[in-house]
Amino acid sequence: QVQLVESGGGVVQPGGSLRLSCAASGFTFSSYGMHWVRQAPGKGLEWVAFIRYDGSNKYYADSVKGRFTISRDNSKNTLYLQMNSLRAEDTAVYYCAKLPPRYGDDAFDIWGQGTMVTVSS
Amino acid sequence: QSVLTQPPSASGTPGQRVTISCSGSSSNIGSNYVYWYQQLPGTAPKLLIYRNNQRPSGVPDRFSGSKSGTSASLAISGLRSEDEADYYCAAWDDSLSGPHYVFGTGTKVTVL
Repeated sequence: QVQLVESGGGVVQPGGSLRLSCAASGFTFSSYGMHWVRQAPGKGLEWVAFIRYDGSNKYYADSVKGRFTISRDNSKNTLYLQMNSLRAEDTAVYYCAKLPPRYGDDAFDIWGQGTMVTVSS
Repeated sequence: QSVLTQPPSASGTPGQRVTISCSGSSSNIGSNYVYWYQQLPGTAPKLLIYRNNQRPSGVPDRFSGSKSGTSASLAISGLRSEDEADYYCAAWDDSLSGPHYVFGTGTKVTVL
């Protein structure tokens, strides 16, 4: 079935690094742009990053620019988020998501179950 | 800090109509489509409305979206207990630092 499965979350010290992965199945991953979205405990949704279907363009939230890198491997149907110089305020559940495109007709979204990242000493 | 502002809460009794507002600016809502997401407790968000007022397959027609200028709204008619959730608007924002996707501050809907 159509699904996204995140992995790689955990507890890391401030200043540390972590790489999240998101395995896609059940749809043509290589045809769609993908997002990372996070949600701090008890807080709202915050968009983190976007990558075009072919990896040619990447956009980042100001709060993570220069520290996080989004990438993808279409041959492995996998999305990544490399997180460096982590801060306490990066603590959140991280979702990978396929959202409706900015330009295009498709109307479906797919979200993973989320992976928790905790930045703490 | 979100650039899309929503009321923190809204409520109604079963069968009532509830409306949630989303206020933005010319760089986001004013020039891009608006999306609405529903997040039930303990679950990932789910798309409710795309392209301002379109419903994906499977979303009940009790949910409707509209947009005017730099604001948008989501209406839930015939409120049901299962509609108790957090609701977020979203849009692309053409900021000076490049395109960003932004979510609203979120509105918790309570069914009394």
